[in-house]
Amino acid sequence: NAGVMQNPRHLVRRRGQEARLRCSPMKGHSHVYWYRQLPEEGLKFMVYLQKENIIDESGMPKERFSAEFPKEGPSILRIQQVVRGDSAAYFCASSRPPVKGYQETQYFGPGTRLLVL
Amino acid sequence: AQSVTQLDSQVPVFEEAPVELRCNYSSSVSVYLFWYVQYPNQGLQLLLKYLSGSTLVKGINGFEAEFNKSQTSFHLRKPSVHISDTAEYFCAVSEGLGNEKLTFGTGTRLTIIP
Repeated sequence: NAGVMQNPRHLVRRRGQEARLRCSPMKGHSHVYWYRQLPEEGLKFMVYLQKENIIDESGMPKERFSAEFPKEGPSILRIQQVVRGDSAAYFCASSRPPVKGYQETQYFGPGTRLLVL
Repeated sequence: AQSVTQLDSQVPVFEEAPVELRCNYSSSVSVYLFWYVQYPNQGLQLLLKYLSGSTLVKGINGFEAEFNKSQTSFHLRKPSVHISDTAEYFCAVSEGLGNEKLTFGTGTRLTIIP
């Protein structure tokens, strides 16, 4: 049973370019979360999606960042016109839908390390 | 709003000695609590979680944690550490159904000294 897959693992972009980060959840998981980890910091929540639906985007910057989780295919985190401050590790997590009234465990992928030159 | 405090950014411990990594949280509602471990250049792996029930939670790799509601703490412990425990440890909270996002602490780097 493959875990959460993220690609690319490393991504280098010049200022002003676009970055596309992909996340394939574990089999049977329909919920996806994106987190960002800046150097020497903990992870910060960005967005929570279900298939074709954004549930919570309270952690997303208002501009240049967007996320989607289509009916088919991976979830995509898109950063337009990247700046040096976007350099970070971006982690995706997935979970099953909640059952029995309990929150399901979030399983994390290996992350995409974005470097903006 | 919820928050998590991990006061110790780095903890050096001799091999086979016990260790405690501290975690305190604040929230206006009941919370779920988690400890994750991150090995270099890897993603996060769940060590253990508290959802309800017994306040002493046992996890993988010999770790355990105790939920203390009055002190709003969820400290992680291991009676005897191994070199392979060298990693970054993150405490996290969520407010459960309807607000599943995790709020993380800044992490504690555990270094095992041979």
